[in-house]
Amino acid sequence: EVQVVESGGGLVQPGGSLRLSCAASGFTFSNFAMSWVRQAPGKGLEWVSGISGSGDSTYYGDSVKGRFTISRDNSKNTVHLQVNSLRAEDTAVYYCAKSFFRWEPPDYWGQGTLVTVSS
Amino acid sequence: QSVLTQPPSASGTPGQRVTISCSGSSSNIGSNYVSWYHQLPGTAPKLLIFRNDQRSSGVPDRFSASKSGTSASLAISGLRSEDETDYFCAAWDDSLSGWVFGGGTRLTVL
Repeated sequence: EVQVVESGGGLVQPGGSLRLSCAASGFTFSNFAMSWVRQAPGKGLEWVSGISGSGDSTYYGDSVKGRFTISRDNSKNTVHLQVNSLRAEDTAVYYCAKSFFRWEPPDYWGQGTLVTVSS
Repeated sequence: QSVLTQPPSASGTPGQRVTISCSGSSSNIGSNYVSWYHQLPGTAPKLLIFRNDQRSSGVPDRFSASKSGTSASLAISGLRSEDETDYFCAAWDDSLSGWVFGGGTRLTVL
């Protein structure tokens, strides 16, 4: 059974940092791209960042470029998202998601971790 | 403002057939696969349809989907009360190098 579990969210002040983690199981992790998608309260989904199965390719949404960094550890089946210089508009539930194939939209999503940016 | 355009709401009575549209452009729907999801409040999205028209495991055949040009649609026939939730579409966008999503359609079963 495929499982994707996020952790690391919390309350942080503007300008602060967090490291979000995603632990995956139930599939050959290194064969699949993984991504982070966020959903602000009452809003739609926004793709944040993605990383290829090998980790060689990374992509970022315009709103987070230069502030967020995605990485993965295929030996531990984990993906991380380092989020820096946080702003109020980064407040959202952050979902980790597994691509169906290459960069096709995801087939599995985690339950999400809430990041709240507030003073 | 979502890249893919969906109607914010749709409705139908039990047993009816409803369709939800998803409009994009040549860089996303026009050149890549479309997926459809439903999402109950406070929960993670769940895959319904992948590769434009393929039902995910366990999804009843009351759900179907299609794609034509830069638009896609999801159809739900034999509407049931448990179908009342949010639905959204997604595709890879070649110009943005990322997934793009529809804003979601809230389906009400009257």
